[in-house]
Amino acid sequence: EAGVTQFPSHSVIEKGQTVTLRCDPISGHDNLYWYRRVMGKEIKFLLHFVKESKQDESGMPNNRFLAERTGGTYSTLKVQPAELEDSGVYFCASSQVLPLMSAEQFFGPGTRLTVL
Amino acid sequence: AQKVTQAQTEISVVEKEDVTLDCVYETRDTTYYLFWYKQPPSGELVFLIRRNSFDEQNEISGRYSWNFQKSTSSFNFTITASQVVDSAVYFCALSEAGNAGNMLTFGGGTRLMVKP
Repeated sequence: EAGVTQFPSHSVIEKGQTVTLRCDPISGHDNLYWYRRVMGKEIKFLLHFVKESKQDESGMPNNRFLAERTGGTYSTLKVQPAELEDSGVYFCASSQVLPLMSAEQFFGPGTRLTVL
Repeated sequence: AQKVTQAQTEISVVEKEDVTLDCVYETRDTTYYLFWYKQPPSGELVFLIRRNSFDEQNEISGRYSWNFQKSTSSFNFTITASQVVDSAVYFCALSEAGNAGNMLTFGGGTRLMVKP
């Protein structure tokens, strides 16, 4: 069974440009999460989808970040315009919906974003 | 608010030594889940274990063991007879049952280097 995949693995862009990250979750996983690790800091939650609906986007840093999950399958995270502080590793994770418990989240390899 | 602290940023051991990675957490929820993930050089986060707050039994899986102590809010991870392949960054994480989305709050990670 394929795991969570992310594309691209690396992206180097200049400040002010736009970048779109993609995540393909494990088939059948309705939960999809985005996290980010900025250099030297903890991995931080960005947002959570259940199918195509945003359940929690409290971790999104500002309105330069836009996440979508059309059709409840893959998700994209767009940063527009990118700023220097957006550099970091962006992780995607997926999990099954389990009643009354927290299912383990399966993570992708991450996209390393560098903004110059 | 929830918080996870991994005080050891980096640990270096020689192969076959035992090593313990510390994790201390803070939460106001009475029901919560604790996780350990391993991040090898390839970058993805690999799920190792989930423990719920009502189960304080220690767990052993091969050379890995986990010690959960609610009295000290700790969930420590021990690798017995370490091997070079254990070299990775290890993350402890917390999920509160009161958060419907089950987002993970991560510690800063501990980089373990096992030398031959």
